[in-house]
Amino acid sequence: QQQVKQSPQSLIVQKGGISIINCAYENTAFDYFPWYQQFPGKGPALLIAIRPDVSEKKEGRFTISFNKSAKQFSLHIMDSQPGDSATYFCAASRFTGTASKLTFGTGTRLQVTL
Amino acid sequence: EAQVTQNPRYLITVTGKKLTVTCSQNMNHEYMSWYRQDPGLGLRQIYYSMNVEVTDKGDVPEGYKVSRKEKRNFPLILESPSPNQTSLYFCASSRLGMNGYTFGSGTRLTVV
Repeated sequence: QQQVKQSPQSLIVQKGGISIINCAYENTAFDYFPWYQQFPGKGPALLIAIRPDVSEKKEGRFTISFNKSAKQFSLHIMDSQPGDSATYFCAASRFTGTASKLTFGTGTRLQVTL
Repeated sequence: EAQVTQNPRYLITVTGKKLTVTCSQNMNHEYMSWYRQDPGLGLRQIYYSMNVEVTDKGDVPEGYKVSRKEKRNFPLILESPSPNQTSLYFCASSRLGMNGYTFGSGTRLTVV
């Protein structure tokens, strides 16, 4: 059962364009929604995260938009650069007081062309 | 430098030959976890540990074992590897009560 659905599977964007990756979740108990960025040969690294009490979070060129009623969230990369070419994973977790288990989406391979 | 170190980075083995992938972190994190990454399936949790001698199954634990005898180390053991365990494996750690995971660089395992 896929608890976090991610789309598209791959994305090609021209330099300077906007990259948009979408995720949808099912479990309303999730309370933390991070995005991870993974370069070839490396492990995923935390990029940006949001909690469900806010609708948007921006860090530099990266923005998370969150729609609690629709159970959807998305990553927007403004002014996309070739250095942004990587695989992006959305994730969701529920904090139990001692630990939180991350459930990941299936990933989006982003290619930013010149 | 704060990091999670996995070894080996690449491993080719034969069906049935026991192997261990090591994971070590230098951040004094209580929580450690193993994930496997497969195309089209994302990252799926195999096992996790909330502290020394405390381990529990994740979503895909079949065919794997773990141990947590020291806080810094969390090895993944495949007692009898099979070809369907060919995958990219990641170890991750975090502080208890914190959401951010630090991942290792991965171990690409091929079972023939």
